[in-house]
Amino acid sequence: NAGVMQNPRHLVRRRGQEARLRCSPMKGHSHVYWYRQLPEEGLKFMVYLQKENIIDESGMPKERFSAEFPKEGPSILRIQQVVRGDSAAYFCASSPASGGGGRLTEAFFGQGTRLTVV
Amino acid sequence: DAKTTQPTSMDCAEGRAANLPCNHSTISGNEYVYWYRQIHSQGPQYIIHGLKNNETNEMASLIITEDRKSSTLILPHATLRDTAVYYCIVRVAGDYKLSFGAGTTVTVRA
Repeated sequence: NAGVMQNPRHLVRRRGQEARLRCSPMKGHSHVYWYRQLPEEGLKFMVYLQKENIIDESGMPKERFSAEFPKEGPSILRIQQVVRGDSAAYFCASSPASGGGGRLTEAFFGQGTRLTVV
Repeated sequence: DAKTTQPTSMDCAEGRAANLPCNHSTISGNEYVYWYRQIHSQGPQYIIHGLKNNETNEMASLIITEDRKSSTLILPHATLRDTAVYYCIVRVAGDYKLSFGAGTTVTVRA
């Protein structure tokens, strides 16, 4: 029973290039969350997606960042025209469908992708 | 805008219990207390959560005060592999976001 799989684990991009980070949720999980951890800082929520829908992108920078979770395949976090300030660890988490009545469901995190912009 | 306060760091001797405090004096009645940890270079790992009763699982115990304004995570027999940053998070039932603060850096020493 594989956990949340993220790839690549390490990604180096030059300024101005595009970065694509992939996340395959745990089997049976239909909710995906992306978090970013800047150097020496805590994790910050970026976006919450369900299959083919963006539910909450309140933590996403307004420009250059986008996310998708297609019907088939992994979730993708895309960063266009990367800058040095995008260097960070990007973590994906997944959870099963949330229960009704406020039942909590746990999110399980992947090992992250460490993006370095040179 | 974290709703919790934790010590910045603490040391613990291997084999001894590690008691990690967390203050959440503004916690609401429908907010749970969650604990996660992040071992260096890895993703956060869920440990335990509770509402008002004490909880125990294979990893840890969670003691929540009667007024729910603070809690303590107990690692009963700390090992070197427990060295990590531990995050105490309050979360409303049904809220999908986790708000990570700075956490407590726990170093287990041999």
